[in-house]
Amino acid sequence: KQEVTQIPAALSVPEGENLVLNCSFTDSAIYNLQWFRQDPGKGLTSLLLIQSSQREQTSGRLNASLDKSSGRSTLYIAASQPGDSATYLCAPTKVETSGSRLTFGEGTQLTVNP
Amino acid sequence: GAVVSQHPSRVICKSGTSVKIECRSLDFQATTMFWYRQFPKQSLMLMATSNEGSKATYEQGVEKDKFLINHASLTLSTLTVTSAHPEDSSFYICSALTSGGAYTQYFGPGTRLTVL
Repeated sequence: KQEVTQIPAALSVPEGENLVLNCSFTDSAIYNLQWFRQDPGKGLTSLLLIQSSQREQTSGRLNASLDKSSGRSTLYIAASQPGDSATYLCAPTKVETSGSRLTFGEGTQLTVNP
Repeated sequence: GAVVSQHPSRVICKSGTSVKIECRSLDFQATTMFWYRQFPKQSLMLMATSNEGSKATYEQGVEKDKFLINHASLTLSTLTVTSAHPEDSSFYICSALTSGGAYTQYFGPGTRLTVL
C-alpha cells in the first residue's frame, strides 16, 4: 500500500523567501505525481504534474522535481508571496490492473507573512 | 478544458435524511470517477471508484449501503449519503479520469456536508 509523507507539516515564512516542500512515497512504481494546492474550505487546484519519465516541471515561480527511484519529490516555490498561503498536497498515481489510484499526503500548510 | 463540477457546493441536513451529491465532467467523457472524503485538518481519503455502467468499488471500511454511488452516464456520477448522521459531516470531493491512458484525475470543487 502506497504511503505518502510530506515534510514539514506546517511552515511559516516571511514574504520573499524561497521555499522547499518535501514529499516521499514508499512505492516507487508510480505513473506520475501531482502537486496540488488547497485553500481553506475549497477544492484542489492542480499545480504541476510530473510523468514518471520526467525529472522536473516548472510553472512560473513553481518547480517540482521527481526522483522516482528514491521515492521523493520536491516542490520549490521562489520568492514566496502572501497569496501562496495554502495547504500543498503531493499525490503520486499508481496504475494497477484494477485501475489507477492517487494517494495523497497529509499536506504542508504554508503561511507566507507580509 | 477538463472541468469537473459538483452540486450542491454546500448542504445542511437533519440527521436521518439522505443527501445526493452530483459530480459532472463538463467538457469530457469520464468512464471512471472517484469519490474522496476529507475531514478537517486531514488529507483526502479515497472512498470509492465509480465506473460507468458497473458497480462501484469501495475502499475498505466504507459502507456501500450507506454511500450509494451511481455512474449512469459518461459525464455524471452521484453519491448518496443515506440516513446521514453527524459523523458523516465532511468535505466530499469527486474527480474524473480522462481517457486515453493519461491517468490524470481532474477534481471537482467539493461539497461541504453538515449533518445536524
